[in-house]
Amino acid sequence: SQQGEEDPQALSIQEGENATMNCSYKTSINNLQWYRQNSGRGLVHLILIRSNEREKHSGRLRVTLDTSKKSSSLLITASRAADTASYFCATDPSGTYKYIFGTGTRLKVLA
Amino acid sequence: NAGVMQNPRHLVRRRGQEARLRCSPMKGHSHVYWYRQLPEEGLKFMVYLQKENIIDESGMPKERFSAEFPKEGPSILRIQQVVRGDSAAYFCASSSAGGIEEQYFGPGTRLTVT
Repeated sequence: SQQGEEDPQALSIQEGENATMNCSYKTSINNLQWYRQNSGRGLVHLILIRSNEREKHSGRLRVTLDTSKKSSSLLITASRAADTASYFCATDPSGTYKYIFGTGTRLKVLA
Repeated sequence: NAGVMQNPRHLVRRRGQEARLRCSPMKGHSHVYWYRQLPEEGLKFMVYLQKENIIDESGMPKERFSAEFPKEGPSILRIQQVVRGDSAAYFCASSSAGGIEEQYFGPGTRLTVT
């Protein structure tokens, strides 16, 4: 798998359900960031989680980080149609600024 | 506090022309990064600049591509003699410090080479 690879590639859920996306990476990191990208638009920063943190919350978002498994998950609770977007994780191998992005999870929330 | 600004948002160039993409970082940010996104792919790092300095251009093609971040004014990504394969979305990000801080992205410039 690639550094910062998201899983699943695509996800369709009903409004009100929870959506979980996973990200796996290969090398040690200092930080992991999650971004949202609406179709044809720029990236919106969601959460940064540092390697010494295990969980972070922001509104309806919950991010976990398991450095022993080199994985992270993004949970969106009570999803809304407006959450429809692609979600990317970005990792900084060895604490460099060269964030590496995966190919993203395309989330579709059906009203 | 305005976010990262990029212009133009859309740029169409014919093969062989030059493309200039501009990026103004967030206020107070002195670190700028350029990424390229091909269709259906994630972003790929191109270059990292601080004011008047290129820190790392390892992700940038050796030929035809150049970047600068002058003391005054926006950062510029310049692509000379564009080819169809240069068609992509180019995103600029900025941070207040290098490495450990969040990178905030602009809306991107979508370059189409015809």
